[in-house]
Amino acid sequence: NAGVMQNPRHLVRRRGQEARLRCSPMKGHSHVYWYRQLPEEGLKFMVYLQKENIIDESGMPKERFSAEFPKEGPSILRIQQVVRGDSAAYFCASSRTGTGGGEQYFGPGTRLTVT
Amino acid sequence: KNEVEQSPQNLTAQEGEFITINCSYSVGISALHWLQQHPGGGIVSLFMLSSGKKKHGRLIATINIQEKHSSLHITASHPRDSAVYICAAFGGSEKLVFGKGTKLTVNP
Repeated sequence: NAGVMQNPRHLVRRRGQEARLRCSPMKGHSHVYWYRQLPEEGLKFMVYLQKENIIDESGMPKERFSAEFPKEGPSILRIQQVVRGDSAAYFCASSRTGTGGGEQYFGPGTRLTVT
Repeated sequence: KNEVEQSPQNLTAQEGEFITINCSYSVGISALHWLQQHPGGGIVSLFMLSSGKKKHGRLIATINIQEKHSSLHITASHPRDSAVYICAAFGGSEKLVFGKGTKLTVNP
């Protein structure tokens, strides 16, 4: 059973470009979470999705960031018009259940560098 | 003040020592995660617990819900245990709130 997959592992973008980060949850998991880890800081929740639904996006910046988890295919975190401050590691996690704190399994992360 | 506080921030030990990392939280929680982040950056879930104690190999995690406190213990520490250990609490929703991590270095 493959774990949570994220790609790309490393992504370099120039200021103003778009970044698309992909996350394929573990087989049988329909709950996906995105977290951001800024340099020298702890992990912060961004968004929680189930298939075709955004459940909680309270951690997402109001502008330029969006997330989706379509019926088919991976979850996508999209950052438009990237700025240097978006440089961070973005982790995706998945769980089988979303209630009562289902155990989350983390992907290897995507390290975004904005030049 | 962060809702999840870890101590110590940094910890250096000699191989074979018994290690304790502490986590205190101020939110009401349904469960608590202990995570391990290796120098390469990947995150591994070590434990999820909501009461009592769990053990896996040389790792032991305990939680005291009344005192809002959890500990992670490593027995017979080894240099390969060197990593950042992160405590994360499930609050009222499915949102994890993370501590800032404890950087552990185990010297041979």
